[in-house]
Amino acid sequence: AQTVTQSQPEMSVQEAETVTLSCTYDTSESNYYLFWYKQPPSRQMILVIRQEAYKQQNATENRFSVNFQKAAKSFSLKISDSQLGDTAMYFCASHTGTASKLTFGTGTRLQVTL
Amino acid sequence: DAGVTQSPTHLIKTRGQHVTLRCSPISGHKSVSWYQQVLGQGPQFIFQYYEKEERGRGNFPDRFSARQFPNYSSELNVNALLLGDSALYLCASSFGHYSNQPQHFGDGTRLSIL
Repeated sequence: AQTVTQSQPEMSVQEAETVTLSCTYDTSESNYYLFWYKQPPSRQMILVIRQEAYKQQNATENRFSVNFQKAAKSFSLKISDSQLGDTAMYFCASHTGTASKLTFGTGTRLQVTL
Repeated sequence: DAGVTQSPTHLIKTRGQHVTLRCSPISGHKSVSWYQQVLGQGPQFIFQYYEKEERGRGNFPDRFSARQFPNYSSELNVNALLLGDSALYLCASSFGHYSNQPQHFGDGTRLSIL
């Protein structure tokens, strides 16, 4: 069984600063994918970034990057130059096998302040 | 191109009733997955359908059922509603059912049980 753990229920960061959201996971699969999704109050789940487990290079999407530590089963999200629009719930998720089943963590509520 | 569309956006039912939620995937996507998101938690996987066949099922009672139509749209049915079924129900689509293909979510249906 897969599990995803997010140990930070809430975080706050000032605009233009950098923040890191933590995530750990557990899986017995050798090939899997990891994702960070953003869910603003509008409630739509938006894909932020994804990482393929067999790739050693950390994924980057503009201001968003990950620190993927496969041996430690850690997958943190770094948001640089935080913007007010980054305020949202952030969910870490894993995906293995041929079934389109995403396993989500409990989320981190991020508040970006002036 | 239109994203994943779900209807209705909000629904109020009473205990014991049944409900049908609908989802239209992104054009060209053949896989549809359903998730339940209880307030304050991450989404939980309910079903995945690909090419009109069930490819995955989460740990939900038989009161929950789904189907996919030839145009790849999908319905989620819940019978004998309980108070605990109150949640945001999310639909996600992807081109195929493999883990390397990102899922795109709709805005969800907010189901409230009185």
